[in-house]
Amino acid sequence: QVSLKESGPGILQPFQTLSLTCSFSGFSLGTSNMGVGWIRQTSGKGLEYLATIWWDDDKYFNPSLNSRLTVSKDTSNNQAFLKITSVDTADTGTYYCTQMPGDWFAYWGQGTLVTVSS
Amino acid sequence: DIQMTQSPASLSASLGETVTIECRASEDIYNGLAWYQQKPGKSPQLLIYNANSLHTGVPSRFSGSGSGTQYSLKINSLQSEDVASYFCQQYYNYPYTFGAGTKLELK
Repeated sequence: QVSLKESGPGILQPFQTLSLTCSFSGFSLGTSNMGVGWIRQTSGKGLEYLATIWWDDDKYFNPSLNSRLTVSKDTSNNQAFLKITSVDTADTGTYYCTQMPGDWFAYWGQGTLVTVSS
Repeated sequence: DIQMTQSPASLSASLGETVTIECRASEDIYNGLAWYQQKPGKSPQLLIYNANSLHTGVPSRFSGSGSGTQYSLKINSLQSEDVASYFCQQYYNYPYTFGAGTKLELK
């Protein structure tokens, strides 16, 4: 069965770079039309789509954060990665990675809470 | 960005009742719509995709319908385990966008 789990720093300071890892099983990012999506849930904006990395290394970023986002993958080790540069308090929230067998978010990780605080 | 407007924001219903949640898109999304359920303290779970396709393992009392800009999620014979927040999401256009959610409680 499909399973995903996010890992991250928990707490970081303003202007630092947030690095998240998504470790997954039950599917492969080497499979045609498969993707991993990143979504966050904040008190301010609710559920917010961040980015997707696709099986063929195609990527899409939400324009609202475009210049701050990087996504990558390690297909052999079933991992995907998200980086957000220059964080501030508005980036505080729970971050999820998801399996995308199409353009919807089929399975979600448990989420990792990220707090930005000085 | 396509705006997704959900209604109602909150809803109170009795066990066994039929519940309907609406989602309106700011433009035609051509059935590129999904519904998610999120229980307190848990991550969202997919219920419906392509507006009316039931995700694997989701009980048949959940159904989705609609077209164009208007979509709905129906829950037949409400169960206690259906107490949750429900979100719609469009994927017709990037960036994907979510509704603000509907909180469903038991009366």
